Amino acid sequence: GAGVSQTPSNKVTEKGKYVELRCDPISGHTALYWYRQSLGQGPEFLIYFQGTGAADDSGLPNDRFFAVRPEGSVSTLKIQRTERGDSAMYLCASSPRLAGGVNEQFFGPGTRLTVL
Amino acid sequence: AQSVTQLDSHVSVSEGTPVLLRCNYSSSYSPSLFWYVQHPNKGLQLLLKYTSAATLVKGINGFEAEFKKSETSFHLTKPSAHMSDAAEYFCVVSDQTGGSYIPTFGRGTSLIVHP
Repeated sequence: GAGVSQTPSNKVTEKGKYVELRCDPISGHTALYWYRQSLGQGPEFLIYFQGTGAADDSGLPNDRFFAVRPEGSVSTLKIQRTERGDSAMYLCASSPRLAGGVNEQFFGPGTRLTVL
Repeated sequence: AQSVTQLDSHVSVSEGTPVLLRCNYSSSYSPSLFWYVQHPNKGLQLLLKYTSAATLVKGINGFEAEFKKSETSFHLTKPSAHMSDAAEYFCVVSDQTGGSYIPTFGRGTSLIVHP
C-alpha cells in the first residue's frame, strides 16, 4: 500500500516568507508526527496529533510554527516569517493508534526547506 | 526526562565482519527503545524495537539488539556486515514523560562498510 508522502520534496524560499509543508499519512493511522532534522543531527520532535487534535506541541520552537490536521488525515506544517535558521529537512511520520505504548512510526521522505 | 546517547558518530567495518553500534539511554519510566536506519535519499525505516518483552530483540536484515537495564544500553549488532548496510543509524527512546510518548532520537551513527 501507499506509504507516507510529503510535498513538496524541496522548497526554497526567501527570509520573511510564509511556507506550508504537507504530509499525507498512511490511511487509517491516527497518530501523526512532525520532526525537524538538521544536517548531521537526529530528527527533533516538533508536534504530534492524535486524530484531529494536537496531543503534544511542546517541540514547536516558537509561535512562527503552527500545524493543523483538520480532518484527521492530511496535516500541514505552517511556518511564518521564515528565518535562515529554519532551513532543515522536515519529516513526517504516522503510526497506528497508541496501544499502551508507542508503536512503530512510518516516515515520509521529507521536505527539504532552504531559506535564503 | 529521557535522553539517548549514541557513543560513536562513525563506525567503519570491512564487509563480512561484525557490526556494533552503541547506544545508551536515560529514562524515568519503562522505556520503549527503537533502532531506525536512514539510507541516503530515503525515509527512515524501523530496524527493530523493544517494548518490555524479550530483552534480545531481532530485527530485519540480520540486525539484533539487547536491552540491558543495568547498563542502560541498547546496542545494535550484526554478525556480518554487507555493503548494503552502509547508512545512518538512529537509536530512539520513548517513555511516558509528561503523559504522552514523545520519541527522542540520538544524533546518529554513520556506518561505513569497506569491501
